[in-house]
Amino acid sequence: EVQLVESGGDLVQPGGSLRLSCAASGFTFTGDSMTWVRQAPGKGLEWVASIREDGSEVYYVDSVKGRFTISRDNAKRSLYLQMNSLRDEDTAVYYCVRGFRVFPNWGRGALVTVSS
Amino acid sequence: DVVMTQSPLSLPVTLGQPASISCRSSQSLVHSDGNTYLHWFQQRPGQSPRRLIYKVSNRDSGVPDRFSGSGSGTDFTLKFSRVEAEDVGVYYCMQGTHWPRTFGQGTNVEIK
Repeated sequence: EVQLVESGGDLVQPGGSLRLSCAASGFTFTGDSMTWVRQAPGKGLEWVASIREDGSEVYYVDSVKGRFTISRDNAKRSLYLQMNSLRDEDTAVYYCVRGFRVFPNWGRGALVTVSS
Repeated sequence: DVVMTQSPLSLPVTLGQPASISCRSSQSLVHSDGNTYLHWFQQRPGQSPRRLIYKVSNRDSGVPDRFSGSGSGTDFTLKFSRVEAEDVGVYYCMQGTHWPRTFGQGTNVEIK
């Protein structure tokens, strides 16, 4: 069974930093690209960033470019999202998602709240 | 960016009756590899999204056959042959052909 378990969500002040992690199991992690998708409270889904299987290519939505960094450690079967210069509008549940075209599996999400 | 437009945004339905959701994209979703990466997701209250349909019309494992997807190019539809109580939630279409990936606004399905 595929499992994606996010961690690292927290309350952080504007301008602060946070690192999300996602532990993957139940599939060949090195064979899949990975993605982060977020959902602000009461709002729809927004794609945030994706990374290729070997980390050779990364992609970001414009609103997080230069502030967020997606990375992975294939030996640890883990996906990460380093978030810097956080803004109020980054408040959301962040989902770890398998793939970058077809999104077959989603984690339960990690809540990030940016507030003073 | 490819804009995904769903309609309606709210869909009150009667149990046992058919229903459908439309999703239109601002550009063709046919990829250079020949595939059309248009997918449908269901998000029940308090849960993570779950993929129902991938590449227009392929039902995911465990998804009831009352759900079906169709369409091509820029015009797509999710159909319920008969709505059941467990179908309450928000449904999103999403395109995986172009960067950035984009989702529709979501359609809230509720029982009348």
